[in-house]
Amino acid sequence: DAGVIQSPRHEVTEMGQEVTLRCKPISGHNSLFWYRQTMMRGLELLIYFNNNVPIDDSGMPEDRFSAKMPNASFSTLKIQPSEPRDSAVYFCASSFSSGRADEQFFGPGTRLTVL
Amino acid sequence: GNSVTQMEGPVTLSEEAFLTINCTYTATGYPSLFWYVQYPGEGLQLLLKATKADDKGSNKGFEATYRKETTSFHLEKGSVQVSDSAVYFCALPAPGSASKIIFGSGTRLSIRP
Repeated sequence: DAGVIQSPRHEVTEMGQEVTLRCKPISGHNSLFWYRQTMMRGLELLIYFNNNVPIDDSGMPEDRFSAKMPNASFSTLKIQPSEPRDSAVYFCASSFSSGRADEQFFGPGTRLTVL
Repeated sequence: GNSVTQMEGPVTLSEEAFLTINCTYTATGYPSLFWYVQYPGEGLQLLLKATKADDKGSNKGFEATYRKETTSFHLEKGSVQVSDSAVYFCALPAPGSASKIIFGSGTRLSIRP
């Protein structure tokens, strides 16, 4: 099993540019999570999906952030326009839920730097 | 709602020392409890879990016992190694969610050779 795949691994962009982060969850998993991690704020849940449907996006910082999951094997997190304070490591995680929250499998993360 | 509180770091120990990282929880009922570990440059990964009261989770020499009397799930290891240097997160399920997990703030552990 390849695990959760994220791309790109590193992204450097300039303020105002659009950034798209990609995630391929583990096959067979039905829940997908996007997290952001910074030294100042720690690990934050941005949004999560169950069966491709967004369940809770209360952690999305503002309208500049959007996430989609068009099918069970792909999700994107988009920031438009990006700002320097968006610099962080963004993690995607997936899990199989049969009614009880269980182990989440994390990807390696995308390190985003906005100049 | 459910929450976890874990000891603040950083924690610095010498190799072969005994490790305890404290975690207490607040929860409705008796949910599963987890410890995740994040090695430098990587995502979090499950270290161990316990699914009911008095259960002991163990992995890689680490142990944690689910104690409902003290609402605690402290992480212990008898003899730490340099390779154990990482950030450790205590976690539990969010109430009313079939998949969401609430993570603690993390405890950074550094082991000196």
